[in-house]
Amino acid sequence: GDSVTQMEGPVTLSEEAFLTINCTYTATGYPSLFWYVQYPGEGLQLLLKATKADDKGSNKGFEATYRKETTSFHLEKGSVQVSDSAVYFCALGGTSYGKLTFGQGTILTVHP
Amino acid sequence: EAGVAQSPRYKIIEKRQSVAFWCNPISGHATLYWYQQILGQGPKLLIQFQNNGVVDDSQLPKDRFSAERLKGVDSTLKIQPAKLEDSAVYLCASSGTRGRNYGYTFGSGTRLTVV
Repeated sequence: GDSVTQMEGPVTLSEEAFLTINCTYTATGYPSLFWYVQYPGEGLQLLLKATKADDKGSNKGFEATYRKETTSFHLEKGSVQVSDSAVYFCALGGTSYGKLTFGQGTILTVHP
Repeated sequence: EAGVAQSPRYKIIEKRQSVAFWCNPISGHATLYWYQQILGQGPKLLIQFQNNGVVDDSQLPKDRFSAERLKGVDSTLKIQPAKLEDSAVYLCASSGTRGRNYGYTFGSGTRLTVV
């Protein structure tokens, strides 16, 4: 079945550092890929998405490219801020209409 | 556009008691989902409705969990009787016809603690 594997956390960075959170997936067919973010005390918010191979999703300085050959969708940001501290979830929208399969989440803490 | 509304925000119950959660999706959204998020894990789909019909409930523990979506709008998720391992955040989400490709909107969740 479909599955998503994220890099283990927590990740701790200083402000303005470069961020990468790795995500790989297993799926049949051609899934859509998503990154969701969960700020402390809040619900899940869609951060960015890509619906086909080689698509690049971007939002708020974050980027991720749908790599079919490596089955990956790594999240990157060139310069993180304290306000980026949150839990980040990689998710896959597979062939079962609408269902999302999530990774386990990566906690990011950014220090001033 | 109003978001997905859930209530209550927090609930503490003793094991073997029953509890119910309510969700009001975004107006016009045909598909409604209930996810369970255990601390330190990603959300897991419990049940998916398309209008008022069940599309997927393969991971719903049917001996204790039940859900309904009357009139294809609001939904209620019930646990009876609750176990300690049911402690989690219960998330409701809704989507229009393009949920698969465009992601969907989550509510703020109900945090359940079973003691």
